[in-house]
Amino acid sequence: SQQGEEDPQALSIQEGENATMNCSYKTSINNLQWYRQNSGRGLVHLILIRSNEREKHSGRLRVTLDTSKKSSSLLITASRAADTASYFCATKHIDRGSTLGRLYFGRGTQLTVWP
Amino acid sequence: DVKVTQSSRYLVKRTGEKVFLECVQDMDHENMFWYRQDPGLGLRLIYFSYDVKMKEKGDIPEGYSVSREKKERFSLILESASTNQTSMYLCASSLLGTGFGEKLFFGSGTQLSVL
Repeated sequence: SQQGEEDPQALSIQEGENATMNCSYKTSINNLQWYRQNSGRGLVHLILIRSNEREKHSGRLRVTLDTSKKSSSLLITASRAADTASYFCATKHIDRGSTLGRLYFGRGTQLTVWP
Repeated sequence: DVKVTQSSRYLVKRTGEKVFLECVQDMDHENMFWYRQDPGLGLRLIYFSYDVKMKEKGDIPEGYSVSREKKERFSLILESASTNQTSMYLCASSLLGTGFGEKLFFGSGTQLSVL
């Protein structure tokens, strides 16, 4: 499976601190996406970065992509208690399945932000 | 906003029962997906469909089948439920192709318990 791997598995920080999560993958990608999941709910798309992009911003989110290292990072600045959730990276590869729309998900990082 | 609706939030079934999980999306998306999510294993793709009556196996199709008779509806069928199919089941949809269509929209999930 071309599943991405997030690191760390769990992260615990105080409100106001920055949270950084990493994702590594194995084979070439077309794009990489980050999703958020609140406990017991479905996933919500946060941001997409294409293979020819190096950095992207959306509000308090900053995503970087290093295709030479096959890795990405998600930075949440000035975190809030409401950011507590699981965060998943998902990759779209250059294969038939991906051409048809499938993504490969990692196991996720559980972020806890303490007030 | 895109809405992906899963018919049940919680479901309890007996071993050997035939189980139907229903998913409906309201945005005319070509692609629909069924994932299962287990602690420590992340999201694993069971089946996906890129058009009516078309289906593709994911990474763990054994013990499952799917049906897509109409574009908006994608059903997951457990022919004979077993205890190892106790899990959170997530349905998702997306547009076919690149650009906006590359992100997935998820339902809220169905927590299935097989006793």
